[in-house]
Amino acid sequence: AQKVTQAQTEISVVEKEDVTLDCVYETRDTTYYLFWYKQPPSGELVFLIRRNSFDEQNEISGRYSWNFQKSTSSFNFTITASQVVDSAVYFCALSEMNYGGSQGNLIFGKGTKLSVKP
Amino acid sequence: DSGVTQTPKHLITATGQRVTLRCSPRSGDLSVYWYQQSLDQGLQFLIQYYNGEERAKGNILERFSAQQFPDLHSELNLSSLELGDSALYFCASSYEGGTTDTQYFGPGTRLTVL
Repeated sequence: AQKVTQAQTEISVVEKEDVTLDCVYETRDTTYYLFWYKQPPSGELVFLIRRNSFDEQNEISGRYSWNFQKSTSSFNFTITASQVVDSAVYFCALSEMNYGGSQGNLIFGKGTKLSVKP
Repeated sequence: DSGVTQTPKHLITATGQRVTLRCSPRSGDLSVYWYQQSLDQGLQFLIQYYNGEERAKGNILERFSAQQFPDLHSELNLSSLELGDSALYFCASSYEGGTTDTQYFGPGTRLTVL
């Protein structure tokens, strides 16, 4: 069965610290997609990144970076020089494939609540 | 702003009642997904539609139903409501559920069943 595990329930850091959010996934598919979403206190879900299983290149976007390691089934997310505005719940998700390879629904981890204190 | 709209933002109702949640996808998107977020179950997939047809079903209760209309908006109907149905209901949309798609989420409808 497909599963996403975010072992860190809550993390608290002080502004300007670096923080890494862990994500471990399980799937029998050879083609799959991984995502990170951010849920700020206002409640909406904001898309951050999408990565397919054939692309193991790390990605950097400003203060955000993602490390995808297929060998360990992990897709970790690092925020460099954290800011108070980064405070949110972060979800890692895995897509199920259906209908001849098209992306299906998302399987979410339980989320990691990040609190960045000034 | 993701471009996905959901109404209403908040809904308070009583047990046994029926409610309808509405979702309009981003312009050009053909596929709509519904998810439920609750404290005990987390974010769970309910159902997916593509261009008016049901495409995939998740942990959706028989008391719940959905449809996607010709103008591509979707409605999620929840009936015989129970206290445990209180949750945040999200709608998401994507172009066609294809291999290059990303699901963009609406702001959610918070349902409280008293």
